[in-house]
Amino acid sequence: KQEVTQIPAALSVPEGENLVLNCSFTDSAIYNLQWFRQDPGKGLTSLLLIQSSQREQTSGRLNASLDKSSGRSTLYIAASQPGDSATYLCASTGANNLFFGTGTRLTVIP
Amino acid sequence: NAGVMQNPRHLVRRRGQEARLRCSPMKGHSHVYWYRQLPEEGLKFMVYLQKENIIDESGMPKERFSAEFPKEGPSILRIQQVVRGDSAAYFCASSPNEGGYGYTFGSGTRLTVV
Repeated sequence: KQEVTQIPAALSVPEGENLVLNCSFTDSAIYNLQWFRQDPGKGLTSLLLIQSSQREQTSGRLNASLDKSSGRSTLYIAASQPGDSATYLCASTGANNLFFGTGTRLTVIP
Repeated sequence: NAGVMQNPRHLVRRRGQEARLRCSPMKGHSHVYWYRQLPEEGLKFMVYLQKENIIDESGMPKERFSAEFPKEGPSILRIQQVVRGDSAAYFCASSPNEGGYGYTFGSGTRLTVV
């Protein structure tokens, strides 16, 4: 069974810093790796999707990488802003569903 | 494109009542997934449906929980005789195929059992 782990569980950074969130998974047989953002009391917003044949994806200030052989993905956020404060979830995709990590709660301090 | 629509957003039920949660997938998506997020825990898979078929219900509790995705209309997650432990956020996601192009989530239904 796929196990997804996210480190750190919580992170506080001053505005403007670059930061990296880490995600590891135990089974490399994934369809793709997806990063989501969840605001308190809200749903999930998809940020980036990396298909299993890809190594990275970029969207604006976000860059996600995937290394299937080592079972790791990272989400890089450049020039962080207070509006980036949220919980970030990574999920690996199996045939029928997603396996989620427990998330990293990010706080960007103005 | 209205995205994945879930209703109600909030639902309060007394112990022993029934809860019905609805999910309309994105236009063009025929694959629906239900997830549960318990307080302070991660999202856990419950069930995967295609039109009129349950494909994988390995995450569903054995009793009181059922799901359907009829030919017409939204997908329904039904919880009979709710207990306090059922209080959680229930999220629905849809995809155009078996996840190869990612998943789109709804805003969730927050069930509170009193």
